[in-house]
Amino acid sequence: SYELTQPPSVSVSPGQMARITCSGDALSKQHAYWYQQKPGQAPVVVIYKDNERPSGIPERFSGSTSGTTVTLTISGVQAEDEADYHCQSADSSGSYHVIFGGGTKLTVL
Amino acid sequence: QVQLQESGPGLVKPSETLSLICTVSGASMNTSFWNWIRQPPGKGLEWIGYIHYSGGTHYHPSLKTRVTISVDTDKKQFSLKLTSVTPADTAVYYCASTSLFGEGDFDYWGQGTLVTVSS
Repeated sequence: SYELTQPPSVSVSPGQMARITCSGDALSKQHAYWYQQKPGQAPVVVIYKDNERPSGIPERFSGSTSGTTVTLTISGVQAEDEADYHCQSADSSGSYHVIFGGGTKLTVL
Repeated sequence: QVQLQESGPGLVKPSETLSLICTVSGASMNTSFWNWIRQPPGKGLEWIGYIHYSGGTHYHPSLKTRVTISVDTDKKQFSLKLTSVTPADTAVYYCASTSLFGEGDFDYWGQGTLVTVSS
């Protein structure tokens, strides 16, 4: 079965660019989704189908993909972007099922 | 506005069955897949499974021997049963929807409910 790997933490200063990666073989076959989760809250999708941004999500959030790695980029990070970010895809290697990465804590210094 | 609300016991004893209900408002049951997702304290998300309004289900392979998800379209509820629980099943349990006509993401979530497995 497939797994998704994310760095446990990323730190950036306000106004800088944050990049959070997610790697796994599943990503070469299935779309990726990114969720933002603030403490005590349910996750919210910020990127769907690798690089599409839902309405209401700021333009500073973008997604990209290259082979078995997808990247969430936040340009001009703001204090309010401090949160956990989870990537999600699907494992279609056997019995299809949804998989998540371990999550990345974004700290705005 | 679509809203999902989890309900059920916050404490379950080891070896017993965890039972939760998700109540849906603001949406028809025939427009989405209805999912359960959990998050152990301080850890990442884990998808448990989903149900279609027709009753068709799909479960995570690692949990499928212990999980049952069912739906009651008249009450606009779907439920989760997880048998033979251990402390490793302690988590915040979320219900979430995936639109049949959307982009494949979990578009609406409940607020989550913490279930602790302990004697």
